[in-house]
Amino acid sequence: GQQLNQSPQSMFIQEGEDVSMNCTSSSIFNTWLWYKQDPGEGPVLLIALYKAGELTSNGRLTAQFGITRKDSFLNISASIPSDVGIYFCAGSFSSGSARQLTFGSGTQLTVLP
Amino acid sequence: EAGVAQSPRYKIIEKRQSVAFWCNPISGHATLYWYQQILGQGPKLLIQFQNNGVVDDSQLPKDRFSAERLKGVDSTLKIQPAKLEDSAVYLCASSPGQGDEQYFGPGTRLTVT
Repeated sequence: GQQLNQSPQSMFIQEGEDVSMNCTSSSIFNTWLWYKQDPGEGPVLLIALYKAGELTSNGRLTAQFGITRKDSFLNISASIPSDVGIYFCAGSFSSGSARQLTFGSGTQLTVLP
Repeated sequence: EAGVAQSPRYKIIEKRQSVAFWCNPISGHATLYWYQQILGQGPKLLIQFQNNGVVDDSQLPKDRFSAERLKGVDSTLKIQPAKLEDSAVYLCASSPGQGDEQYFGPGTRLTVT
């Protein structure tokens, strides 16, 4: 099946710093999504990317759909304490009438004051 | 707009017992998903419904897991009998169609002892 490699597994950064994380796949995806999950909650959608090469921003977050359709990255600028959480990439491909979403293993972000 | 509702939030059972989880998707969302999230991993799709029909259940362990969405709205996921390795968070998500922007509930944390 589809597999996503997400890195880094964890990050410790100072408040105000920028952070970058990425996902790579052995297969092509039609869509890339980035989610954030806080403890005890479900993942919350941050950004959705639908075209190869697409660069999309949502406030301090910027994500890009790799031109090869096998990778994506997420940047967070000027990090703040509430950015703490686990960030997941997810890739989507169509299989008949089903559209499966495959998740990476997550990047645990810690923001130090 | 109310989000995806799930209950219970926590459940502790002994192995070989049965358990059921309930999900109420966002109003009007035709597609409903159940995911299993093991600690330290990303969510893994178990089953996808389109209205009250199953679209994809290829990763559902059908010998012990079952799910239904009888009226195309609420859904239940059942495990019978439970095993220790079923300990995980069970997430329900919904989307308007078969698109990729899935909205997650808070999950049910299951502990099997």
